[in-house]
Amino acid sequence: SQTIHQWPATLVQPVGSPLSLECTVEGTSNPNLYWYRQAAGRGLQLLFYSVGIGQISSEVPQNLSASRPQDRQFILSSKKLLLSDSGFYLCAWRSWRTEYNEQFFGPGTRLTVL
Amino acid sequence: AQKVTQAQTEISVVEKEDVTLDCVYETRDTTYYLFWYKQPPSGELVFLIRRNSFDEQNEISGRYSWNFQKSTSSFNFTITASQVVDSAVYFCALYSGTYKYIFGTGTRLKVLA
Repeated sequence: SQTIHQWPATLVQPVGSPLSLECTVEGTSNPNLYWYRQAAGRGLQLLFYSVGIGQISSEVPQNLSASRPQDRQFILSSKKLLLSDSGFYLCAWRSWRTEYNEQFFGPGTRLTVL
Repeated sequence: AQKVTQAQTEISVVEKEDVTLDCVYETRDTTYYLFWYKQPPSGELVFLIRRNSFDEQNEISGRYSWNFQKSTSSFNFTITASQVVDSAVYFCALYSGTYKYIFGTGTRLKVLA
């Protein structure tokens, strides 16, 4: 069966510090991978998605970036965090097979920028 | 443009009551998929159901049921005999093959003992 991992689970960082959040998927190959952010009490904002190694599509032109160095690894980064980067970050995967379109989400990382 | 509307921001019910969560979608695509997710207080989104645009059959899974009506562009979710463990935020989502998913803003369900 497939599982998705995210770490860390919680993070408190000062403004201006760098960020690296990691997501890995097990039990599947060539997944489509997604990063979402959820502000407190709000809906989901798509940040990035990737359909293959080294391929990244950006939906939010802010101070965040993403990379996919391996097939089942997706990394979200920032060189300098802003207060507005606080939120709940969710990684998700879906199968490359078009008949299965549901996304499966990781446990999330709760980021607080002070 | 594609859009998912969940007009109910928050619903409170007493345990054992039935509750329906509304979802209205907009798309010009003829092939699309609709989903419901549950987000308990722990935060992880849990996949509940997928429906494609060619299958309007309603579905029942235990206390959960879903009513998909293309004529009204709605995909409503009913919980029968609600329980405290049903308390969560529920999201409806739409996908039509562009790799991107459109989520509604969510409905917070509070089930009171």
